[in-house]
Amino acid sequence: AQSVTQLDSHVSVSEGTPVLLRCNYSSSYSPSLFWYVQHPNKGLQLLLKYTSAATLVKGINGFEAEFKKSETSFHLTKPSAHMSDAAEYFCVVTIGSSNTGKLIFGQGTTLQVKP
Amino acid sequence: DAGVIQSPRHEVTEMGQEVTLRCKPISGHDYLFWYRQTMMRGLELLIYFNNNVPIDDSGMPEDRFSAKMPNASFSTLKIQPSEPRDSAVYFCASAVRAGRADTQYFGPGTRLTVL
Repeated sequence: AQSVTQLDSHVSVSEGTPVLLRCNYSSSYSPSLFWYVQHPNKGLQLLLKYTSAATLVKGINGFEAEFKKSETSFHLTKPSAHMSDAAEYFCVVTIGSSNTGKLIFGQGTTLQVKP
Repeated sequence: DAGVIQSPRHEVTEMGQEVTLRCKPISGHDYLFWYRQTMMRGLELLIYFNNNVPIDDSGMPEDRFSAKMPNASFSTLKIQPSEPRDSAVYFCASAVRAGRADTQYFGPGTRLTVL
């Protein structure tokens, strides 16, 4: 069965320092993985996705994630945090082997950015 | 592109009342999804449609919940009668396709409070 675990419910960094949000997945199939961001009182916005092409995926706003099959991980990183990055981040895996459209969401990681 | 539109953005109602949430997907998207977000259960898929036809409603919590898609540009999620435990943020999302690698685009959500 497919699942995703976000290892930290809350991460706090200072502005200008690196960001690391951790995600581990479990999948019976070659997975597709996504990171979505949710700013307060807003909908979810796609940051980036991995779909079995390049293992290092670059997304919007300077974020990137690396798919590591051996570690079943898909951690999200950013070299330098900005105040506007403060939000909730969701790691997501798709389930099923074909066109099911079902997403499994992690529990989310709240990123706090301190000035 | 207006994105996925949801209305109302906030809804406060009393237990036992009927609640109707509305969604307008992105034009040209053949798939529409309804999700619910709560603190306890996180984000979970309730139901999704393909070309206005419900494909999978296994996530609908009980018979009090119903969803319709009368045409390609409009969907409703109805709760009748509503209960306090239905309080949550309800998201609508749409997609061109629903394959494992396809992106779903989320609306801003409707925050429902049932007193």
